[in-house]
Amino acid sequence: GAVVSQHPSRVICKSGTSVKIECRSLDFQATTMFWYRQFPKQSLMLMATSNEGSKATYEQGVEKDKFLINHASLTLSTLTVTSAHPEDSSFYICSALRTTGRNEKLFFGSGTQLSVL
Amino acid sequence: AQKITQTQPGMFVQEKEAVTLDCTYDTSDQSYGLFWYKQPSSGEMIFLIYQGSYDEQNATEGRYSLNFQKARKSANLVISASQLGDSAMYFCAMRGGTGGFKTIFGAGTRLFVKA
Repeated sequence: GAVVSQHPSRVICKSGTSVKIECRSLDFQATTMFWYRQFPKQSLMLMATSNEGSKATYEQGVEKDKFLINHASLTLSTLTVTSAHPEDSSFYICSALRTTGRNEKLFFGSGTQLSVL
Repeated sequence: AQKITQTQPGMFVQEKEAVTLDCTYDTSDQSYGLFWYKQPSSGEMIFLIYQGSYDEQNATEGRYSLNFQKARKSANLVISASQLGDSAMYFCAMRGGTGGFKTIFGAGTRLFVKA
């Protein structure tokens, strides 16, 4: 079963509204989660690294006031797209890193397709 | 700066044959991790295999194996006995040491399995 749950899977909103996307690690604690954006037929572009209990680290060119990230607990990170515009329409996907000894796995949520009208 | 390169935008393979998807990376870190993911048309990212930079043996997971050549900085994915369900996008990714746990992705390779 899924170990990272992302909700909602699809959202349609009006321009100017804000949208919150949740990412939960279901059976492990994730001090670090990542948020990616993917345009059609393109690769995943890292937007930011979400750190539990501290501020997120944003990649160059990503507006932190536009894409608010909160990692309030070891199992939940949220991405809020504020004042969404049509150009924000995209596939957003979160991931959480699970480390077991020297083995690592990066688990992904199922993604959120955002459409801004 | 860290970089992942996948030079094959698309690959075709006959069902039941093996296929190699190329991946090269660039990093100055000594400690890093390499991943391969499969993304079907549904959009979900499916973990396939992981290789740590200090692992001396190539990683294997069922029909997937990672041909890790550290000196050449390559981490090719080998899929044996291809199945029609293997048709998807495949992404190579790297988690670097100096970047923290930041994981970056290559451009991807679309694999088509022919019956």
